[in-house]
Amino acid sequence: SQQGEEDPQALSIQEGENATMNCSYKTSINNLQWYRQNSGRGLVHLILIRSNEREKHSGRLRVTLDTSKKSSSLLITASRAADTASYFCATGLGGSARQLTFGSGTQLTVLP
Amino acid sequence: EAGVAQSPRYKIIEKRQSVAFWCNPISGHATLYWYQQILGQGPKLLIQFQNNGVVDDSQLPKDRFSAERLKGVDSTLKIQPAKLEDSAVYLCASSLFSSGTQPYEQYFGPGTRLTVT
Repeated sequence: SQQGEEDPQALSIQEGENATMNCSYKTSINNLQWYRQNSGRGLVHLILIRSNEREKHSGRLRVTLDTSKKSSSLLITASRAADTASYFCATGLGGSARQLTFGSGTQLTVLP
Repeated sequence: EAGVAQSPRYKIIEKRQSVAFWCNPISGHATLYWYQQILGQGPKLLIQFQNNGVVDDSQLPKDRFSAERLKGVDSTLKIQPAKLEDSAVYLCASSLFSSGTQPYEQYFGPGTRLTVT
């Protein structure tokens, strides 16, 4: 079963605009990670945020985590056509297993 | 550093045939994962290895799927016999491991796109 659910399922914006994707999950987590998947390719790790962190930045990416609402958001600022991809949140329960449960993804299209 | 390697990249088979996928993780990564990704969905974990031992295979359809990682490095995933609903991309990923609770990112291979006709 999928723990995380992304919203929206699809998002289309113009180049230069900001893109915000949301992820909601059901159970307590140790960490939450965001991955990007270009068409026909494997997933690429973007950012990891631990359950005791509230916000994290990496270049044009900003991730927030609200454990009380069991939700996270990924903000991509000043989007580029190359940002066109599917974005997945993945929740980790921690412990020795360190498994991730992926959501269904948001398809982002950045129009030039 | 070399990434996760997978082969073949594409495979088309008829239902009831068998197929095998191969994965070579990043050097030094003790943990290896196989995922199934159906079109339009997120990856679903099939099996997780720690070195050459299975950590979790609770979502692996064991009547038709099998996987091994004999020497704790390369891994193969086999489907026998294949069904139409097995059409998907099969992703291999690897990550570091430590005895603590520190989370690690996973590194994914390009995947094998399987079409069962």
